[in-house]
Amino acid sequence: LAKTTQPISMDSYEGQEVNITCSHNNIATNDYITWYQQFPSQGPRFIIQGYKTKVTNEVASLFIPADRKSSTLSLPRVSLSDTAVYYCLVGDGVTGGGNKLTFGTGTQLKVEL
Amino acid sequence: NAGVMQNPRHLVRRRGQEARLRCSPVKGHSHVYWYRQLPEEGLKFMVYLQKENIIDESGMPKERFSAEFPKEGPSILRIQQVVRGDSAAYFCASSPTGGKNNQPQHFGDGTRLSIL
Repeated sequence: LAKTTQPISMDSYEGQEVNITCSHNNIATNDYITWYQQFPSQGPRFIIQGYKTKVTNEVASLFIPADRKSSTLSLPRVSLSDTAVYYCLVGDGVTGGGNKLTFGTGTQLKVEL
Repeated sequence: NAGVMQNPRHLVRRRGQEARLRCSPVKGHSHVYWYRQLPEEGLKFMVYLQKENIIDESGMPKERFSAEFPKEGPSILRIQQVVRGDSAAYFCASSPTGGKNNQPQHFGDGTRLSIL
Protein backbone atom coordinates (compact mmCIF):
# COMPACT_ATOMS: atom_id res chain seq x y z
CA LEU A 1 0.00 0.00 0.00
CA ALA A 2 1.20 3.47 -0.84
CA LYS A 3 2.46 5.46 2.12
CA THR A 4 1.01 8.91 2.58
CA THR A 5 2.49 11.99 4.21
CA GLN A 6 0.42 14.96 5.30
CA PRO A 7 0.92 17.82 7.75
CA ILE A 8 0.16 16.98 11.36
CA SER A 9 -1.81 20.15 11.92
CA MET A 10 -3.07 23.32 10.26
CA ASP A 11 -4.72 26.46 11.57
CA SER A 12 -7.13 28.71 9.71
CA TYR A 13 -9.79 31.33 10.23
CA GLU A 14 -13.43 31.31 9.32
CA GLY A 15 -14.12 32.23 5.72
CA GLN A 16 -10.69 31.27 4.44
CA GLU A 17 -9.91 28.58 1.92
CA VAL A 18 -7.89 25.69 3.33
CA ASN A 19 -5.67 23.47 1.24
CA ILE A 20 -4.28 20.26 2.72
CA THR A 21 -1.66 18.50 0.64
CA CYS A 22 -0.88 14.82 0.85
CA SER A 23 2.19 13.16 -0.64
CA HIS A 24 1.96 9.62 -1.99
CA ASN A 25 5.07 8.96 -4.04
CA ASN A 26 4.44 5.23 -4.40
CA ILE A 27 0.90 5.42 -5.72
CA ALA A 28 0.06 2.56 -8.06
CA THR A 29 -1.72 2.71 -11.37
CA ASN A 30 -5.00 1.36 -10.04
CA ASP A 31 -5.02 3.36 -6.83
CA TYR A 32 -7.62 5.96 -5.96
CA ILE A 33 -7.12 8.86 -3.56
CA THR A 34 -9.75 9.32 -0.89
CA TRP A 35 -10.17 11.84 1.90
CA TYR A 36 -12.08 11.30 5.11
CA GLN A 37 -13.02 13.73 7.87
CA GLN A 38 -13.31 12.73 11.50
CA PHE A 39 -14.82 14.70 14.38
CA PRO A 40 -14.14 13.77 17.99
CA SER A 41 -16.19 10.80 19.16
CA GLN A 42 -17.42 10.09 15.64
CA GLY A 43 -16.48 7.74 12.85
CA PRO A 44 -14.66 8.94 9.73
CA ARG A 45 -16.88 10.52 7.14
CA PHE A 46 -16.16 10.24 3.42
CA ILE A 47 -15.44 13.62 1.85
CA ILE A 48 -14.19 13.07 -1.68
CA GLN A 49 -12.41 10.62 -3.92
CA GLY A 50 -10.51 10.99 -7.15
CA TYR A 51 -8.16 9.32 -9.58
CA LYS A 52 -6.69 12.20 -11.60
CA THR A 53 -7.09 15.90 -12.41
CA LYS A 54 -9.82 17.59 -10.43
CA VAL A 55 -12.90 16.41 -8.62
CA THR A 56 -15.42 18.71 -6.99
CA ASN A 57 -18.48 18.04 -4.89
CA GLU A 58 -20.69 20.11 -2.63
CA VAL A 59 -18.18 20.24 0.22
CA ALA A 60 -14.68 20.10 -1.26
CA SER A 61 -12.42 19.91 -4.27
CA LEU A 62 -9.60 17.47 -4.87
CA PHE A 63 -6.69 18.43 -7.09
CA ILE A 64 -4.45 15.70 -8.43
CA PRO A 65 -1.46 16.57 -10.66
CA ALA A 66 -0.57 14.51 -13.69
CA ASP A 67 2.06 12.41 -11.90
CA ARG A 68 -0.44 11.62 -9.09
CA LYS A 69 2.33 11.66 -6.50
CA SER A 70 0.43 14.16 -4.42
CA SER A 71 -3.07 15.49 -3.98
CA THR A 72 -4.60 18.57 -2.41
CA LEU A 73 -7.89 18.72 -0.59
CA SER A 74 -9.39 22.17 -0.86
CA LEU A 75 -12.07 23.34 1.57
CA PRO A 76 -13.65 26.62 0.47
CA ARG A 77 -14.61 29.20 3.07
CA VAL A 78 -14.14 27.07 6.17
CA SER A 79 -16.22 27.51 9.29
CA LEU A 80 -15.70 26.54 12.91
CA SER A 81 -17.55 23.29 12.23
CA ASP A 82 -14.81 22.22 9.82
CA THR A 83 -12.44 21.76 12.76
CA ALA A 84 -11.62 18.05 12.50
CA VAL A 85 -8.97 15.54 11.54
CA TYR A 86 -8.61 14.96 7.81
CA TYR A 87 -7.20 11.69 6.50
CA CYS A 88 -5.70 11.09 3.07
CA LEU A 89 -5.82 7.45 1.95
CA VAL A 90 -4.34 5.91 -1.15
CA GLY A 91 -4.40 2.47 -2.65
CA ASP A 92 -6.73 -0.41 -3.35
CA GLY A 93 -7.54 -0.22 0.31
CA VAL A 94 -9.37 3.03 -0.12
CA THR A 95 -12.06 1.44 -2.19
CA GLY A 96 -14.89 -0.67 -1.09
CA GLY A 97 -15.32 -4.17 -2.22
CA GLY A 98 -13.23 -6.04 0.24
CA ASN A 99 -10.15 -4.01 0.91
CA LYS A 100 -8.85 -2.62 4.15
CA LEU A 101 -8.22 1.05 4.67
CA THR A 102 -4.90 2.25 6.01
CA PHE A 103 -5.19 5.43 8.02
CA GLY A 104 -2.22 7.57 8.98
CA THR A 105 -2.36 10.12 11.77
CA GLY A 106 -4.15 12.65 9.58
CA THR A 107 -4.11 16.45 9.64
CA GLN A 108 -5.74 18.21 12.56
CA LEU A 109 -7.41 21.31 11.14
CA LYS A 110 -8.32 23.99 13.63
CA VAL A 111 -10.56 26.82 12.48
CA GLU A 112 -10.84 29.95 14.60
CA LEU A 113 -12.97 33.07 14.47
CA ASN B 1 -31.04 6.80 9.87
CA ALA B 2 -29.84 4.50 7.13
CA GLY B 3 -26.20 4.66 8.15
CA VAL B 4 -24.01 2.17 9.95
CA MET B 5 -25.31 1.61 13.46
CA GLN B 6 -23.06 0.50 16.27
CA ASN B 7 -24.02 -0.41 19.80
CA PRO B 8 -23.37 0.11 22.50
CA ARG B 9 -21.74 3.52 22.07
CA HIS B 10 -19.90 3.06 25.34
CA LEU B 11 -19.00 -0.18 27.05
CA VAL B 12 -17.25 -0.65 30.36
CA ARG B 13 -15.80 -3.99 31.31
CA ARG B 14 -13.56 -5.29 34.06
CA ARG B 15 -10.41 -7.19 33.24
CA GLY B 16 -11.20 -10.79 32.36
CA GLN B 17 -14.75 -10.14 31.20
CA GLU B 18 -16.06 -10.45 27.68
CA ALA B 19 -16.97 -7.55 25.41
CA ARG B 20 -19.43 -7.84 22.56
CA LEU B 21 -19.66 -5.05 20.02
CA ARG B 22 -22.44 -4.95 17.45
CA CYS B 23 -22.60 -3.41 14.02
CA SER B 24 -25.54 -3.14 11.65
CA PRO B 25 -24.31 -2.12 8.19
CA VAL B 26 -26.00 0.20 5.79
CA LYS B 27 -29.04 -1.55 4.38
CA GLY B 28 -28.01 -3.51 1.33
CA HIS B 29 -24.30 -3.54 2.20
CA SER B 30 -22.85 -7.02 2.47
CA HIS B 31 -19.26 -6.07 3.34
CA VAL B 32 -18.32 -5.18 6.89
CA TYR B 33 -15.00 -3.99 8.29
CA TRP B 34 -13.83 -3.48 11.86
CA TYR B 35 -11.17 -0.97 12.88
CA ARG B 36 -9.61 0.00 16.18
CA GLN B 37 -8.49 3.49 17.10
CA LEU B 38 -6.27 4.39 20.02
CA PRO B 39 -6.17 8.00 21.29
CA GLU B 40 -4.29 10.40 18.99
CA GLU B 41 -3.87 7.71 16.36
CA GLY B 42 -5.49 6.79 13.06
CA LEU B 43 -7.75 3.80 12.63
CA LYS B 44 -6.13 0.38 12.32
CA PHE B 45 -7.77 -2.33 10.26
CA MET B 46 -8.77 -5.47 12.14
CA VAL B 47 -11.01 -7.69 10.05
CA TYR B 48 -13.10 -7.75 6.89
CA LEU B 49 -16.19 -9.93 6.58
CA GLN B 50 -18.85 -10.72 4.08
CA LYS B 51 -22.04 -12.47 5.01
CA GLU B 52 -21.09 -15.64 6.91
CA ASN B 53 -17.46 -15.43 5.81
CA ILE B 54 -14.27 -13.92 7.18
CA ILE B 55 -12.31 -12.62 4.21
CA ASP B 56 -9.33 -10.94 5.84
CA GLU B 57 -8.48 -11.05 9.53
CA SER B 58 -4.86 -10.02 9.17
CA GLY B 59 -5.24 -7.09 11.54
CA MET B 60 -6.92 -8.96 14.34
CA PRO B 61 -5.00 -10.37 17.31
CA LYS B 62 -4.78 -14.14 17.11
CA GLU B 63 -6.05 -14.67 20.62
CA ARG B 64 -9.16 -13.47 22.44
CA PHE B 65 -10.60 -11.63 19.42
CA SER B 66 -13.19 -13.01 17.04
CA ALA B 67 -15.68 -11.60 14.57
CA GLU B 68 -18.72 -12.84 12.76
CA PHE B 69 -21.26 -11.55 10.28
CA PRO B 70 -24.14 -14.03 10.27
CA LYS B 71 -26.69 -14.41 7.54
CA GLU B 72 -29.23 -12.67 9.73
CA GLY B 73 -28.46 -9.96 12.24
CA PRO B 74 -25.60 -7.63 12.95
CA SER B 75 -21.90 -8.24 12.77
CA ILE B 76 -20.35 -8.99 16.15
CA LEU B 77 -16.81 -8.26 17.33
CA ARG B 78 -16.11 -10.32 20.42
CA ILE B 79 -13.24 -9.80 22.81
CA GLN B 80 -12.75 -12.43 25.46
CA GLN B 81 -10.89 -11.97 28.74
CA VAL B 82 -10.38 -8.27 28.13
CA VAL B 83 -7.22 -6.51 29.31
CA ARG B 84 -6.46 -2.83 29.87
CA GLY B 85 -4.79 -2.61 26.48
CA ASP B 86 -8.09 -3.39 24.76
CA SER B 87 -9.40 0.04 25.77
CA ALA B 88 -10.01 1.87 22.50
CA ALA B 89 -12.66 3.04 20.08
CA TYR B 90 -13.84 0.29 17.76
CA PHE B 91 -15.34 1.37 14.46
CA CYS B 92 -17.36 -0.61 12.00
CA ALA B 93 -17.68 0.28 8.33
CA SER B 94 -19.67 -1.19 5.48
CA SER B 95 -19.63 -1.06 1.72
CA PRO B 96 -21.87 -2.34 -1.04
CA THR B 97 -21.11 -5.53 -2.93
CA GLY B 98 -17.52 -5.26 -3.79
CA GLY B 99 -14.71 -5.84 -6.19
CA LYS B 100 -14.97 -2.41 -7.75
CA ASN B 101 -13.22 0.84 -7.17
CA ASN B 102 -14.76 4.09 -5.94
CA GLN B 103 -17.08 2.56 -3.43
CA PRO B 104 -16.14 4.33 -0.20
CA GLN B 105 -16.63 2.67 3.12
CA HIS B 106 -19.30 4.14 5.39
CA PHE B 107 -18.45 4.28 9.07
CA GLY B 108 -20.48 4.09 12.24
CA ASP B 109 -19.75 6.30 15.22
CA GLY B 110 -17.95 3.58 17.09
CA THR B 111 -18.05 1.80 20.43
CA ARG B 112 -15.78 3.18 23.09
CA LEU B 113 -14.55 0.32 25.21
CA SER B 114 -13.11 1.05 28.62
CA ILE B 115 -11.47 -1.64 30.71
CA LEU B 116 -11.33 -1.12 34.44
